[in-house]
Amino acid sequence: KNEVEQSPQNLTAQEGEFITINCSYSVGISALHWLQQHPGGGIVSLFMLSSGKKKHGRLIATINIQEKHSSLHITASHPRDSAVYICAPSGTYKYIFGTGTRLKVLA
Amino acid sequence: GAVVSQHPSWVICKSGTSVKIECRSLDFQATTMFWYRQFPKQSLMLMATSNEGSKATYEQGVEKDKFLINHASLTLSTLTVTSAHPEDSSFYICSARDRRDGETQYFGPGTRLLVL
Repeated sequence: KNEVEQSPQNLTAQEGEFITINCSYSVGISALHWLQQHPGGGIVSLFMLSSGKKKHGRLIATINIQEKHSSLHITASHPRDSAVYICAPSGTYKYIFGTGTRLKVLA
Repeated sequence: GAVVSQHPSWVICKSGTSVKIECRSLDFQATTMFWYRQFPKQSLMLMATSNEGSKATYEQGVEKDKFLINHASLTLSTLTVTSAHPEDSSFYICSARDRRDGETQYFGPGTRLLVL
């Protein structure tokens, strides 16, 4: 069993839909990161969470430390949100990467 | 802020040659830089952790003599793939940790290496 599990692995949505990506982890962590990898390969850090909830624009990330679970929500999805979303818990500064969720938003 | 650059963005080389990839933090000091490789449709795999002024720490299974890492300053780390072979063809990404910013890593745009 992987230390970090993401679901779904692939997701196709229509523009405007509300999207949720889930991440479960089995290791002890000090923080959890959500990353976005664009088709060209570049990676952007979206959030770093250690508790609760964070919001940035149309993106919302939550974490439940006791349940070792985090979710990334995208409201009013847009084709430009198409990317791979990666959950990466961290401890002692190293990231442990999930397998990623490949999101495609259709116009 | 927190921009990391990589150079080159892509490189094609002949088998047996060595390739150097640079990773720079442009607007912050990075005491720690990380080197990853990524195969198509797979997750990032940590190769090594590079600390300024000291030897890099390599992950299990990564040959230190094959992948030479130098972190000579607070803004520059280099990865040299020595005697490259076709199986070294991959996407190499670096990231840098801003010591003022806790655990967040800032990622470079990546370097695509194709060894013929």
